[in-house]
Amino acid sequence: EVELSESGGGLGQPGGSLRLSCAASGFTFRSYAMSWVRQAPGKGLEWVSGISESGGSTYYTDSVKGRFTISRDNSKNTVYLQMNSLRAEDTAVYYCAKSRGVAARYYFDSWGQGILVTVSS
Amino acid sequence: EIVLTQSPGTLSLSPGERATLSCRASRSVSSSYLAWYQQKPGQAPRLLIYDVSSRAAGIPDRFSGSGSGTDFTLTVSRLEPEDFAVYYCQQYGTSPRTFGQGTKLEIK
Repeated sequence: EVELSESGGGLGQPGGSLRLSCAASGFTFRSYAMSWVRQAPGKGLEWVSGISESGGSTYYTDSVKGRFTISRDNSKNTVYLQMNSLRAEDTAVYYCAKSRGVAARYYFDSWGQGILVTVSS
Repeated sequence: EIVLTQSPGTLSLSPGERATLSCRASRSVSSSYLAWYQQKPGQAPRLLIYDVSSRAAGIPDRFSGSGSGTDFTLTVSRLEPEDFAVYYCQQYGTSPRTFGQGTKLEIK
């Protein structure tokens, strides 16, 4: 059974940093792309970032480019999201998602339970 | 970016009825790269349909997807009590991958 478990969320200061981690199990992690998808309180879903199977290609939505960095460690079955220069509008539940598709055309076939990031002073 | 507009915003139906949810794209979705997800309160989304009409693993056959170009539909043939939730469409043919704003399916 696929399991994705996020950690590292919590309260961040505007302009500050947080690092999210997602530990994966139940599938061959190195064979799948991974993504982060967020959901602001009471709002819909927004794809944030994706990373290819090897980690050699990364993708971002425009609003986080230059501020967020996605990475992965296939030896630890873990994907990360380094979030810098945090803004109030980054406040959301962040989901880690196992990604399917070719050439970064990702849909998401398994999701973690999500972790809340709140940006506030 | 491709904007996905879902309608109706809220759909009130009774168990046993048929539900038809719409997702309209601002321009054609590349190569039928459209998915549907179900989300219940306090839970993560769950993949229902990908590539417009392919059911994900473990999804009952009362869920079906159809459409092409800019107009897509999720149909639930006979509603079960556990089907009342919020449903999102997502296109993944063009960057950035975008979601619709959701349709809430509620018990009448």
